[in-house]
Amino acid sequence: QVHLQESGPGLVKPSETLSLTCTVSGGSTTRYIWSWIRQPPGKGLEWIGYIYDSGTTKYNPSLKSRVTISVDTSKNQFFLKLRSVTAADAAVYYCARGSGGVAEFDSWGQGTLVTVSS
Amino acid sequence: QSVLTQPPSASGTPGQRVTISCSGSISNIASNFVYWYQHIPGTAPKLLIFRNNQRPSGVPDRFSGSKSGTSASLAISGLRSEDETGYYCAAWDDNVSGPVFGGGTKLTVL
Repeated sequence: QVHLQESGPGLVKPSETLSLTCTVSGGSTTRYIWSWIRQPPGKGLEWIGYIYDSGTTKYNPSLKSRVTISVDTSKNQFFLKLRSVTAADAAVYYCARGSGGVAEFDSWGQGTLVTVSS
Repeated sequence: QSVLTQPPSASGTPGQRVTISCSGSISNIASNFVYWYQHIPGTAPKLLIFRNNQRPSGVPDRFSGSKSGTSASLAISGLRSEDETGYYCAAWDDNVSGPVFGGGTKLTVL
Protein backbone atom coordinates (compact mmCIF):
# COMPACT_ATOMS: atom_id res chain seq x y z
CA GLN A 1 0.00 0.00 0.00
CA VAL A 2 1.36 3.40 -0.94
CA HIS A 3 2.40 5.72 1.85
CA LEU A 4 2.93 9.48 1.53
CA GLN A 5 4.91 11.60 3.96
CA GLU A 6 5.31 15.36 3.91
CA SER A 7 8.46 16.99 5.21
CA GLY A 8 9.86 20.48 5.44
CA PRO A 9 10.23 23.48 7.74
CA GLY A 10 7.35 24.10 10.09
CA LEU A 11 8.10 27.80 10.29
CA VAL A 12 8.52 30.21 7.40
CA LYS A 13 9.08 33.96 7.58
CA PRO A 14 6.71 36.32 5.78
CA SER A 15 7.77 37.08 2.20
CA GLU A 16 9.97 33.99 2.06
CA THR A 17 9.44 30.73 0.20
CA LEU A 18 7.70 27.71 1.66
CA SER A 19 9.30 24.47 0.49
CA LEU A 20 7.87 21.03 1.16
CA THR A 21 8.73 17.52 0.03
CA CYS A 22 6.39 14.56 -0.31
CA THR A 23 8.07 11.17 -0.23
CA VAL A 24 6.15 8.27 -1.73
CA SER A 25 6.86 4.77 -0.49
CA GLY A 26 5.28 1.45 -1.34
CA GLY A 27 4.60 2.62 -4.85
CA SER A 28 5.95 4.62 -7.73
CA THR A 29 5.35 8.22 -8.68
CA THR A 30 4.85 7.13 -12.26
CA ARG A 31 1.39 6.75 -13.78
CA TYR A 32 -0.37 8.88 -11.21
CA ILE A 33 -1.15 12.51 -10.51
CA TRP A 34 0.31 14.05 -7.38
CA SER A 35 -1.32 16.93 -5.61
CA TRP A 36 -0.73 19.41 -2.84
CA ILE A 37 -3.73 20.41 -0.75
CA ARG A 38 -3.84 22.66 2.29
CA GLN A 39 -6.15 23.44 5.18
CA PRO A 40 -5.82 26.78 6.95
CA PRO A 41 -6.78 26.77 10.63
CA GLY A 42 -10.55 26.59 11.02
CA LYS A 43 -11.14 26.45 7.28
CA GLY A 44 -11.81 23.88 4.60
CA LEU A 45 -9.49 22.10 2.23
CA GLU A 46 -7.97 23.99 -0.69
CA TRP A 47 -6.35 22.36 -3.70
CA ILE A 48 -3.00 23.98 -4.51
CA GLY A 49 -2.01 22.13 -7.64
CA TYR A 50 -0.93 18.85 -9.14
CA ILE A 51 1.77 17.31 -11.28
CA TYR A 52 1.78 14.35 -13.60
CA ASP A 53 4.73 11.97 -13.61
CA SER A 54 5.59 13.54 -16.97
CA GLY A 55 6.11 16.86 -15.24
CA THR A 56 2.97 18.54 -16.55
CA THR A 57 1.51 20.79 -13.89
CA LYS A 58 -1.78 22.50 -13.13
CA TYR A 59 -2.26 25.06 -10.41
CA ASN A 60 -5.18 26.62 -8.59
CA PRO A 61 -5.69 29.97 -10.34
CA SER A 62 -5.76 31.72 -6.98
CA LEU A 63 -2.19 30.58 -6.23
CA LYS A 64 -0.76 30.09 -9.69
CA SER A 65 1.53 33.12 -9.65
CA ARG A 66 3.33 31.91 -6.52
CA VAL A 67 3.38 28.12 -6.84
CA THR A 68 5.77 25.64 -8.38
CA ILE A 69 5.30 21.87 -8.11
CA SER A 70 7.98 19.53 -9.35
CA VAL A 71 8.71 15.81 -9.25
CA ASP A 72 11.77 13.58 -9.03
CA THR A 73 10.58 10.15 -10.13
CA SER A 74 14.00 8.63 -9.45
CA LYS A 75 13.60 9.45 -5.78
CA ASN A 76 9.81 8.94 -5.63
CA GLN A 77 9.40 12.48 -4.38
CA PHE A 78 7.48 15.54 -5.41
CA PHE A 79 7.86 19.06 -4.18
CA LEU A 80 5.99 22.25 -3.42
CA LYS A 81 7.37 25.76 -3.48
CA LEU A 82 5.14 28.66 -2.51
CA ARG A 83 6.76 32.05 -2.83
CA SER A 84 6.14 35.31 -0.99
CA VAL A 85 4.17 33.73 1.83
CA THR A 86 1.94 35.69 4.17
CA ALA A 87 0.01 34.77 7.29
CA ALA A 88 -2.81 33.59 5.04
CA ASP A 89 -0.58 30.75 3.85
CA ALA A 90 -0.34 29.24 7.32
CA ALA A 91 -1.99 25.84 7.08
CA VAL A 92 -1.65 22.10 7.33
CA TYR A 93 -0.24 21.04 3.99
CA TYR A 94 -1.10 17.61 2.58
CA CYS A 95 0.27 15.71 -0.34
CA ALA A 96 -2.04 13.26 -2.05
CA ARG A 97 -2.24 10.81 -4.93
CA GLY A 98 -5.04 11.41 -7.34
CA SER A 99 -6.54 10.85 -10.75
CA GLY A 100 -6.96 13.27 -13.62
CA GLY A 101 -10.20 15.12 -14.17
CA VAL A 102 -11.79 14.02 -10.92
CA ALA A 103 -11.54 14.99 -7.26
CA GLU A 104 -10.47 11.50 -6.24
CA PHE A 105 -7.51 11.23 -3.88
CA ASP A 106 -7.01 7.66 -2.75
CA SER A 107 -3.91 8.20 -0.64
CA TRP A 108 -2.91 11.14 1.52
CA GLY A 109 -0.06 12.08 3.77
CA GLN A 110 -1.00 12.95 7.30
CA GLY A 111 -0.09 16.56 6.76
CA THR A 112 2.50 18.99 8.01
CA LEU A 113 1.73 22.23 9.81
CA VAL A 114 3.37 25.33 8.41
CA THR A 115 3.33 28.53 10.44
CA VAL A 116 4.19 31.89 8.91
CA SER A 117 5.83 34.23 11.38
CA SER A 118 8.88 36.41 11.74
CA GLN B 1 -15.09 30.76 1.52
CA SER B 2 -15.18 27.25 0.09
CA VAL B 3 -16.54 26.65 -3.40
CA LEU B 4 -18.80 23.85 -2.18
CA THR B 5 -21.14 24.60 0.72
CA GLN B 6 -21.57 22.24 3.64
CA PRO B 7 -23.22 22.79 7.01
CA PRO B 8 -20.47 23.36 9.58
CA SER B 9 -21.98 20.85 11.97
CA ALA B 10 -24.34 17.90 12.20
CA SER B 11 -25.32 15.60 15.03
CA GLY B 12 -27.17 12.43 15.84
CA THR B 13 -27.55 9.77 18.46
CA PRO B 14 -26.12 6.25 18.23
CA GLY B 15 -28.08 4.14 15.78
CA GLN B 16 -29.64 7.14 14.10
CA ARG B 17 -29.32 8.10 10.44
CA VAL B 18 -27.81 11.47 9.59
CA THR B 19 -27.24 13.22 6.30
CA ILE B 20 -24.69 15.86 5.37
CA SER B 21 -25.42 18.08 2.40
CA CYS B 22 -23.04 19.57 -0.13
CA SER B 23 -24.17 22.34 -2.47
CA GLY B 24 -22.32 23.42 -5.56
CA SER B 25 -22.97 24.63 -9.08
CA ILE B 26 -23.17 23.63 -12.71
CA SER B 27 -19.41 23.79 -13.11
CA ASN B 28 -18.69 21.29 -10.37
CA ILE B 29 -21.30 18.99 -8.81
CA ALA B 30 -23.78 19.10 -11.68
CA SER B 31 -21.12 18.21 -14.25
CA ASN B 32 -18.74 15.93 -12.38
CA PHE B 33 -18.50 13.15 -9.85
CA VAL B 34 -18.75 13.94 -6.15
CA TYR B 35 -16.37 12.50 -3.59
CA TRP B 36 -16.57 12.37 0.19
CA TYR B 37 -13.67 12.26 2.63
CA GLN B 38 -13.59 11.45 6.31
CA HIS B 39 -10.97 13.39 8.20
CA ILE B 40 -9.83 12.76 11.73
CA PRO B 41 -7.67 15.75 12.71
CA GLY B 42 -3.99 14.92 12.72
CA THR B 43 -4.40 12.00 10.36
CA ALA B 44 -4.58 11.52 6.62
CA PRO B 45 -8.03 12.15 5.13
CA LYS B 46 -9.73 8.96 4.00
CA LEU B 47 -11.70 8.49 0.79
CA LEU B 48 -15.19 7.47 1.86
CA ILE B 49 -17.31 7.74 -1.28
CA PHE B 50 -16.18 8.02 -4.90
CA ARG B 51 -18.08 8.68 -8.11
CA ASN B 52 -21.14 9.98 -6.23
CA ASN B 53 -22.17 6.76 -4.54
CA GLN B 54 -19.42 4.14 -4.67
CA ARG B 55 -17.64 2.85 -1.59
CA PRO B 56 -13.97 1.85 -1.59
CA SER B 57 -13.33 -1.59 -0.20
CA GLY B 58 -13.32 -1.53 3.57
CA VAL B 59 -15.84 1.29 3.93
CA PRO B 60 -18.95 0.01 5.70
CA ASP B 61 -22.24 0.08 3.82
CA ARG B 62 -23.55 2.36 6.57
CA PHE B 63 -22.06 5.12 4.47
CA SER B 64 -23.82 6.10 1.24
CA GLY B 65 -23.70 8.96 -1.19
CA SER B 66 -26.15 10.51 -3.60
CA LYS B 67 -26.26 13.39 -6.04
CA SER B 68 -29.00 15.40 -7.67
CA GLY B 69 -28.37 18.43 -9.83
CA THR B 70 -26.03 20.82 -8.09
CA SER B 71 -26.28 19.11 -4.70
CA ALA B 72 -24.98 15.95 -3.11
CA SER B 73 -25.47 14.20 0.20
CA LEU B 74 -23.63 11.80 2.44
CA ALA B 75 -25.80 9.57 4.59
CA ILE B 76 -24.57 7.66 7.60
CA SER B 77 -26.93 5.08 9.05
CA GLY B 78 -26.55 3.18 12.30
CA LEU B 79 -24.51 6.02 13.72
CA ARG B 80 -21.56 5.02 15.90
CA SER B 81 -19.34 6.97 18.24
CA GLU B 82 -16.36 6.40 15.97
CA ASP B 83 -18.16 8.31 13.21
CA GLU B 84 -17.66 11.51 15.20
CA THR B 85 -15.21 13.45 13.06
CA GLY B 86 -15.06 15.73 10.02
CA TYR B 87 -16.50 15.06 6.56
CA TYR B 88 -15.65 16.89 3.34
CA CYS B 89 -17.22 16.80 -0.09
CA ALA B 90 -15.24 17.43 -3.25
CA ALA B 91 -15.79 17.64 -6.98
CA TRP B 92 -13.88 18.62 -10.07
CA ASP B 93 -14.65 22.16 -11.17
CA ASP B 94 -14.60 22.86 -14.88
CA ASN B 95 -13.95 26.58 -14.33
CA VAL B 96 -10.95 25.98 -12.07
CA SER B 97 -9.81 22.92 -14.03
CA GLY B 98 -9.11 21.36 -10.69
CA PRO B 99 -10.82 19.91 -7.63
CA VAL B 100 -12.79 22.03 -5.20
CA PHE B 101 -13.81 21.14 -1.68
CA GLY B 102 -16.52 21.92 0.80
CA GLY B 103 -15.75 23.66 4.07
CA GLY B 104 -16.28 20.47 6.01
CA THR B 105 -18.93 19.25 8.44
CA LYS B 106 -18.09 18.26 12.00
CA LEU B 107 -20.31 15.35 13.00
CA THR B 108 -21.09 14.92 16.69
CA VAL B 109 -22.51 11.69 18.06
CA LEU B 110 -24.56 12.66 21.09
